[in-house]
Amino acid sequence: GENVEQHPSTLSVQEGDSAVIKCTYSDSASNYFPWYKQELGKRPQLIIDIRSNVGEKKDQRIAVTLNKTAKHFSLHITETQPEDSAVYFCAASSAAGNKLTFGGGTRVLVKP
Amino acid sequence: GAVVSQHPSRVICKSGTSVKIECRSLDFQATTMFWYRQFPKQSLMLMATSNEGSKATYEQGVEKDKFLINHASLTLSTLTVTSAHPEDSSFYICSARETGAYYGYTFGSGTRLTVV
Repeated sequence: GENVEQHPSTLSVQEGDSAVIKCTYSDSASNYFPWYKQELGKRPQLIIDIRSNVGEKKDQRIAVTLNKTAKHFSLHITETQPEDSAVYFCAASSAAGNKLTFGGGTRVLVKP
Repeated sequence: GAVVSQHPSRVICKSGTSVKIECRSLDFQATTMFWYRQFPKQSLMLMATSNEGSKATYEQGVEKDKFLINHASLTLSTLTVTSAHPEDSSFYICSARETGAYYGYTFGSGTRLTVV
């Protein structure tokens, strides 16, 4: 089955700096890669996603890049703000079964 | 947008009893729903895939006789934790995918289960 690895597990940045989280996946059939932000005790919230036919996608301060050949994708947050502090999860969906497999999560702390 | 309602949000039960968690899609039909479990400071681990009108598909290591899943309609899936034990205490979250849609997973608000 699919295996998604996520790094780093924790990330501390100064307000205004950029944050980058990287994920790798194992199943070459995966073609949908969402990123979620989760606050303590809450449901995951989709912040951006990318499909395998696209190499990069941007939404204001958030961008995601995908390298299908290397089977890795990354989340970039620019001009970080204290409200960006949360746990971020990457995920991958394979063509068979369409279930989402999550990475281990990254705890991001933005220091004012 | 798509909304998934999950109840209860919190439940405390005694060891050995059963607890039922409901996941309902409010404004769309969901042929497929997914149940996840999340322990503190860990990731979401898929427990099972629930398909309307058929048996659920459980992930390796998940006891199907302990975690009973029923998906009797296109808008409702239930997870029953039978004979709960303290180690079953966790955050359970459902996710629904709209019928015919490949992308887009809507998550419920989660259920915090504490077994005492």
